[in-house]
Amino acid sequence: QVQLVESGGGVVQPGRSLRLSCVASGFTFSSYGMHWVRQAPGKGLEWVAVIWYDGSKEYFADSVKGRFTISRDNSKNTVYLQMSGLRADDTAVYYCARGEGSSSFEHWGQGTLVTVSS
Amino acid sequence: DIQMTQSPSSLSASVGDRVTITCRASQSISSYLNWYQQKPGKAPKLLIYAASTLQSGVPSRFSGSGSGTDFTLTISSLQPEDFATYYCQQSYSTVFTFGPGTKVDI
Repeated sequence: QVQLVESGGGVVQPGRSLRLSCVASGFTFSSYGMHWVRQAPGKGLEWVAVIWYDGSKEYFADSVKGRFTISRDNSKNTVYLQMSGLRADDTAVYYCARGEGSSSFEHWGQGTLVTVSS
Repeated sequence: DIQMTQSPSSLSASVGDRVTITCRASQSISSYLNWYQQKPGKAPKLLIYAASTLQSGVPSRFSGSGSGTDFTLTISSLQPEDFATYYCQQSYSTVFTFGPGTKVDI
């Protein structure tokens, strides 16, 4: 069965960097685009970034553009979110999700909490 | 970027009620609209994709309609397990966006 497991969250000071990982299993990872979606405490869902199945294209929400990068290693079935210049408003649970043909998200990880605080 | 709005932001309903949630896009997104249900502490669950296609395993009391800029999610007869927050999401643009959510409670 499809499984997505995020890791790398934690407490980080403002301005610092953090890298999240999402390890996939149960499907052909190299055939799917992968997304990051976040949810601040008590708030709604915010789409963050996507990387094409082959890593050829990446797109970002305006709120993270220029600060976050997304990458993938298809040999390791892993997608990464490199976050730099972190701000308090980046505090959220970060989910990775598999992009389906309709660009909907059927499969999600359990999420990893990032807290930006001094 | 395409902005998504939802109404209402919250609603109170009873078991057995028919519930309708509206989602509006800031520009036409054809039928590139998906609906999710989220319960506290859990990842979202895909209910409907491409505006009206029911995801496998989702009860038939859920239905979606619309195209262009205006969409609706309908729950024909609300069940106890349906009390949750519902989000729409557009997949027309490569900058995907979610609506702000509609909380359905008792």
